[in-house]
Amino acid sequence: GAVVSQHPSRVICKSGTSVKIECRSLDFQATTMFWYRQFPKQSLMLMATSNEGSKATYEQGVEKDKFLINHASLTLSTLTVTSAHPEDSSFYICGGGTDTQYFGPGTRLTVL
Amino acid sequence: AQTVTQSQPEMSVQEAETVTLSCTYDTSESDYYLFWYKQPPSRQMILVIRQEAYKQQNATENRFSVNFQKAAKSFSLKISDSQLGDAAMYFCAYKTRQGGSEKLVFGKGTKLTVNP
Repeated sequence: GAVVSQHPSRVICKSGTSVKIECRSLDFQATTMFWYRQFPKQSLMLMATSNEGSKATYEQGVEKDKFLINHASLTLSTLTVTSAHPEDSSFYICGGGTDTQYFGPGTRLTVL
Repeated sequence: AQTVTQSQPEMSVQEAETVTLSCTYDTSESDYYLFWYKQPPSRQMILVIRQEAYKQQNATENRFSVNFQKAAKSFSLKISDSQLGDAAMYFCAYKTRQGGSEKLVFGKGTKLTVNP
């Protein structure tokens, strides 16, 4: 299957700072990438769809100004959590692929 | 809108035995994909198996097979000869093939425990 990398795997930051998470498709070109958030013992919750060269599409209830998404190339999508607060602490996963979606290993964000 | 239901929050199986995880879905579409993903404690989502709705033959990948019942909108996963490494959360997911969104619709997951 296709390979998706995600960096960093873990990040701890102070409240009020911004954190950037990178998602790369290593062996395929991704015009679309998906960003998910996962709470403990729950399923993946889609936050937004990242579109190469255009604006991201956000799911209802997701603050687009807090979760900034950039998809500048066919292999890189980034999620920036701006002015992070403890309630933003979570596990973030990106995914991409055409017929089948493949996932990055995830990023555990802890906001102190 | 499509929905995916996994009615078993938790399942357990003895090592080397067989277990079946249930998944039902609701859609008005005729062309779609169905997936089973595994999420072990590392939390990496791993594709287990994929089924195209237009294919009548059930998909198989080594010890993993599905029972796809299109009319009943049922898509169960059978794991044969269970191994300790099969212990994980298993998510059933749906994706349309009819153009437009490539989003996945996930079920809530089933936690599988494998007992030695």
